Amino acid sequence: DTEVTQTPKHLVMGMTNKKSLKCEQHMGHRAMYWYKQKAKKPPELMFVYSYEKLSINESVPSRFSPECPNSSLLNLHLHALQPEDSALYLCASSQAPQAGVIIYEQYFGPGTRLTVT
Amino acid sequence: GQQVMQIPQYQHVQEGEDFTTYCNSSTTLSNIQWYKQRPGGHPVFLIQLVKSGEVKKQKRLTFQFGEAKKNSSLHITATQTTDVGTYFCAGPLTGTASKLTFGTGTRLQVTL
Repeated sequence: DTEVTQTPKHLVMGMTNKKSLKCEQHMGHRAMYWYKQKAKKPPELMFVYSYEKLSINESVPSRFSPECPNSSLLNLHLHALQPEDSALYLCASSQAPQAGVIIYEQYFGPGTRLTVT
Repeated sequence: GQQVMQIPQYQHVQEGEDFTTYCNSSTTLSNIQWYKQRPGGHPVFLIQLVKSGEVKKQKRLTFQFGEAKKNSSLHITATQTTDVGTYFCAGPLTGTASKLTFGTGTRLQVTL
């Protein structure tokens, strides 16, 4: 199974709401990622988890809070978002890069299309 | 910071014509990956190149990694409508194997 699943597919939320995005993979991957993608732009890395620990935070505002409850699940908690946060949020997973080893291919989920009103 | 630029931004071809997208990094890359994103879809991994000057083929797609490991190209021979989408190159920051920086992307449109 090479599938990464994400829920929900679409989400509309107000600026005062709290919501969560969920991501799941069953490939045994120990690295998981959150990306943000605006229309006609490349994906931008937000967070990286390696072995369930946060290893990279790309200076993302605190209104985005990631969580990795176990090796298969990745959540992104959203609170007090701004309209400019509307975007496609992509989750990805890969084998965890080892020291001196080339980065592995990433498997992306279908994304959650988020609209902040 | 590291930048990965792709040209052209957009190309429209007739089915059967060839297509090439070029990827240029501001710094040396230890390896480079290529992804395809169909309209309304998500990025899908195509291939990874590791060695300087490496050339790999997948059916009608030919991928090259430059000698200096700062540029790469994807060439599609005899495009088909199924080739429509945005092609991204992506590479890790030197010393940061967990972090992929995606290129700006080339959007390909193919018409009959």
